[in-house]
Amino acid sequence: SQTIHQWPATLVQPVGSPLSLECTVEGTSNPNLYWYRQAAGRGLQLLFYSIGIDQISSEVPQNLSASRPQDRQFILSSKKLLLSDSGFYLCAWSVAAYNEQFFGPGTRLTVL
Amino acid sequence: SQKIEQNSEALNIQEGKTATLTCNYTNYSPAYLQWYRQDPGRGPVFLLLIRENEKEKRKERLKVTFDTTLKQSLFHITASQPADSATYLCAFGGYQKVTFGTGTKLQVIP
Repeated sequence: SQTIHQWPATLVQPVGSPLSLECTVEGTSNPNLYWYRQAAGRGLQLLFYSIGIDQISSEVPQNLSASRPQDRQFILSSKKLLLSDSGFYLCAWSVAAYNEQFFGPGTRLTVL
Repeated sequence: SQKIEQNSEALNIQEGKTATLTCNYTNYSPAYLQWYRQDPGRGPVFLLLIRENEKEKRKERLKVTFDTTLKQSLFHITASQPADSATYLCAFGGYQKVTFGTGTKLQVIP
């Protein structure tokens, strides 16, 4: 069966510090991968999606970036965090765009 | 721009009743709609997918309808239970990605 992992579960970082969140999927090949952010009481905001290695699309211009160094690994990064980067970050995968998405447990990021 | 809207107000219903949640969309003709459940501090969990050529889809106590004329999907939970209390998200699919609504919080009162 397929599983999706995210780490860390929680993170508290000072403004201006770097960020690296990792997501890995097991039990499937060539998944579509997604990064979302959910602010408190808000909906899911799509940040990046990837249909393959080195094929990453950005949805929202910001100080975040994403990379996919391996087929089932998706990394969200920032060189300098802003207060507005605080939120609940979720990674998800799907077999294809028209299929259901499976979400990871999420990372709660607080920028102070 | 494409918009998907859910009632942002919480929905409180009595246990045993049918809960009905609404999802409306504008400026788009999605090929399918999805519904997810999200518990506090957790990632969403997929529940049902309905395609544009399907009027209704059922799974156990859940039912989803898709009205492309009204640009609306309704999500029903029959014989609701306190364990059904959660936030329910609808989402519509497009090329390579899915757009989510903000969700409706459902509270089932014993």
